[in-house]
Amino acid sequence: NAGVTQTPKFQVLKTGQSMTLQCAQDMNHNSMYWYRQDPGMGLRLIYYSASEGTTDKGEVPNGYNVSRLNKREFSLRLESAAPSQTSVYFCASRNSGQGSYEQYFGPGTRLTVT
Amino acid sequence: AQSVSQHNHHVILSEAASLELGCNYSYGGTVNLFWYVQYPGQHLQLLLKYFSGDPLVKGIKGFEAEFIKSKFSFNLRKPSVQWSDTAEYFCALNSGGYQKVTFGTGTKLQVIP
Repeated sequence: NAGVTQTPKFQVLKTGQSMTLQCAQDMNHNSMYWYRQDPGMGLRLIYYSASEGTTDKGEVPNGYNVSRLNKREFSLRLESAAPSQTSVYFCASRNSGQGSYEQYFGPGTRLTVT
Repeated sequence: AQSVSQHNHHVILSEAASLELGCNYSYGGTVNLFWYVQYPGQHLQLLLKYFSGDPLVKGIKGFEAEFIKSKFSFNLRKPSVQWSDTAEYFCALNSGGYQKVTFGTGTKLQVIP
């Protein structure tokens, strides 16, 4: 049981390049999330998916797109990377069933945009 | 809209000192509240959570938190901290029935041996 996995662990991009961050969970959770973590700003929600086939914007969605490919996978795409998107990105999942509300986090992707 | 405030950004304590980290939230309805911890270089892990019932909840590693509805607060406490508690602590809120989870800005705790 791997929990939540993210790839890649590290990435360096040049301004304007695109990339997709991958996230997968094997806990059969309904909900999945993408956050970015920046010093002094905590975790800010980029997008979330309450269930397969649905996605919703969080606090900071500009410059990002997401795809809930199936129940297991939730990817985050940067179409044209900007230095302001330099951050650590965390994926999380959560079962929306009764009594199972905490999130489980992946190990993170450290992205640098130059 | 839901929001979470953590007013202590950086706390420095000596070992064996008592800890209280503040968390206040803004939401008028039913809430689920969480404290997560992030040890250096690691991802977030759940410390404790509150859904309903007893407002005093106990978590792992001797941590506890008290939900005070009238004050919109969910402060984290530990009677005696250890050096291994050095980490960043995040308070989070989920409003009942919805899947969006909002985090506070975090509190960095440094425990000096």
